[in-house]
Amino acid sequence: AQTVTQSQPEMSVQEAETVTLSCTYDTSESDYYLFWYKQPPSRQMILVIRQEAYKQQNATENRFSVNFQKAAKSFSLKISDSQLGDAAMYFCAYRSGSWRGAGSYQLTFGKGTKLSVIP
Amino acid sequence: ETGVTQTPRHLVMGMTNKKSLKCEQHLGHNAMYWYKQSAKKPLELMFVYSLEERVENNSVPSRFSPECPNSSHLFLHLHTLQPEDSALYLCASSRNRDRGRETQYFGPGTRLLVL
Repeated sequence: AQTVTQSQPEMSVQEAETVTLSCTYDTSESDYYLFWYKQPPSRQMILVIRQEAYKQQNATENRFSVNFQKAAKSFSLKISDSQLGDAAMYFCAYRSGSWRGAGSYQLTFGKGTKLSVIP
Repeated sequence: ETGVTQTPRHLVMGMTNKKSLKCEQHLGHNAMYWYKQSAKKPLELMFVYSLEERVENNSVPSRFSPECPNSSHLFLHLHTLQPEDSALYLCASSRNRDRGRETQYFGPGTRLLVL
């Protein structure tokens, strides 16, 4: 079974600074996908960024980028130029790329990192 | 807005009540999911529905009963719940057609309190 570990329960960053959130995962599969989701106080889970394991290039989405280290099974999220609206819970998630029916696309989540942005 | 809506947003119920949570997606997706989010625990997948089949997490008690009448609507029927069932219930949907291309989009959740 796959597991996702976020070792930082809470982090803080000064507005306009850069912060990196850590995520490690354990899997025996070679085909999979990794995600970062953001959950602000409104509780809406919002997709931040996605990475396909077969791609060596790190995904980027505006101020958000990842450092994907497949051999180390590490998938960290970097937020540049932090803004007050970035304050939220951030969840790292894993999904298998193997098709085994509808349950194949189950997301396995980490416990989350609470990010605070200091004005 | 992600195109996935959930009602009600908040629900308080007694242990003997019967209630239902509703999820609707406007994205043309063909798979829908129920997740449970409890304090200090990772999100737990409860049920998955696609057009063809339902996959059920074996640890889900029978007091939770899903229903998927069509690809756009998903219900979670609740009866004789326990206080430990109090949590945020999230619905998600995806388009499981292009292998590996789809992403799950979440609704805003229903905050459930069982007294």
